[in-house]
Amino acid sequence: GAVVSQHPSRVICKSGTSVKIECRSLDFQATTMFWYRQFPKKSLMLMATSNEGSKATYEQGVEKDKFLINHASLTLSTLTVTSAHPEDSSFYICSARDEFTEAFFGQGTRLTVV
Amino acid sequence: GESVGLHLPTLSVQEGDNSIINCAYSNSASDYFIWYKQESGKGPQFIIDIRSNMDKRQGQRVTVLLNKTVKHLSLQIAATQPGDSAVYFCAEKRRNDMRFGAGTRLTVKP
Repeated sequence: GAVVSQHPSRVICKSGTSVKIECRSLDFQATTMFWYRQFPKKSLMLMATSNEGSKATYEQGVEKDKFLINHASLTLSTLTVTSAHPEDSSFYICSARDEFTEAFFGQGTRLTVV
Repeated sequence: GESVGLHLPTLSVQEGDNSIINCAYSNSASDYFIWYKQESGKGPQFIIDIRSNMDKRQGQRVTVLLNKTVKHLSLQIAATQPGDSAVYFCAEKRRNDMRFGAGTRLTVKP
């Protein structure tokens, strides 16, 4: 199946700094990418949907200034957690799809803010 | 609001037995459903999907059943193996995004 690569897989950062997470579709053009957040033992929560070249659509309750999403090309989307705080510690997962396929997921990024 | 959810949060089965994981959904307009498997610390992996114009679909050792009358989805795993131990999510596709159920943790006992 299609491959979606997410980087880094783990990151530890200091409170107040910003962290960027990359999501790449390796063998297809991802017209749409999704960013999810997952709390321990909980389901995936959709944060935002981004279409290449357009502004991301954020879910209710997700701060767009806090979680900056950029989808500048058909193979790359980035999520930047700005001014991170310990409560932002979580597992973040991206998924990507083109207009023909179901979404494929990245491996996830474990963010720990200390 | 409308949501996708699971009946059972945990399921423990003996190796070799069949497993059945259930999911309820509430958006009758949804036309596409997917089951994902998520191992610890990893992203979800696609298992099988089904469209609303079908009521059953079979894969390798897995079968998905869709009952639109009661808005119920199930995943059946035949001859469950230790490698099947994971959290299983159903997902409902709505327009351009997917909503996930809470997940069921499947534990396979040797």
